[in-house]
Amino acid sequence: GIQVEQSPPDLILQEGANSTLRCNFSDSVNNLQWFHQNPWGQLINLFYIPSGTKQNGRLSATTVATERYSLLYISSSQTTDSGVYFCAVERGSQGNLIFGKGTKLSVKP
Amino acid sequence: DSGVTQTPKHLITATGQRVTLRCSPRSGDLSVYWYQQSLDQGLQFLIQYYNGEERAKGNILERFSAQQFPDLHSELNLSSLELGDSALYFCASSVAKITGELFFGEGSRLTVL
Repeated sequence: GIQVEQSPPDLILQEGANSTLRCNFSDSVNNLQWFHQNPWGQLINLFYIPSGTKQNGRLSATTVATERYSLLYISSSQTTDSGVYFCAVERGSQGNLIFGKGTKLSVKP
Repeated sequence: DSGVTQTPKHLITATGQRVTLRCSPRSGDLSVYWYQQSLDQGLQFLIQYYNGEERAKGNILERFSAQQFPDLHSELNLSSLELGDSALYFCASSVAKITGELFFGEGSRLTVL
């Protein structure tokens, strides 16, 4: 099946710093989403981005489907950005998202 | 708030017991998905229902079953519980039959003692 690799696995930032999280996938996909799992366990939708670029406030994402990767940019990070960021993809019409192992982000005040 | 409602939020039970987790999808969404998140396995897809019918099956154990009712809410039944079933169980919904954008509930945290 399709493999989803996220990097880095762990990231520690000072408040105000910028960061880039990467998601590589092993085959073509028709669906890609980024999620943030906060320290309370909630999975929050960030972007639905099978291709192209989107921005939402301090966050933006770019997916280059032909090269099989997606990037999540976090600018001016805040302590509330801490948590685990997941990339998830779907290939064809399998009916489910395959999740990467996530990037654990810790933002220090 | 994603609009997906899951109950209960927390559940503690003993090995061998049976529990039922409930999910109400977002208004207008016809697809419901169940995922399991454990420390060693990460987020794993269990099963999908679309408009009352099973559409896709993932790594769901035979001891687990699910259904989607005419009002579109779904229940996940876990029986003969084992210690290893302790996990966070998520429900997600989407408007489409073929995945599309998924929205997740807050999860039900199951602890089996």
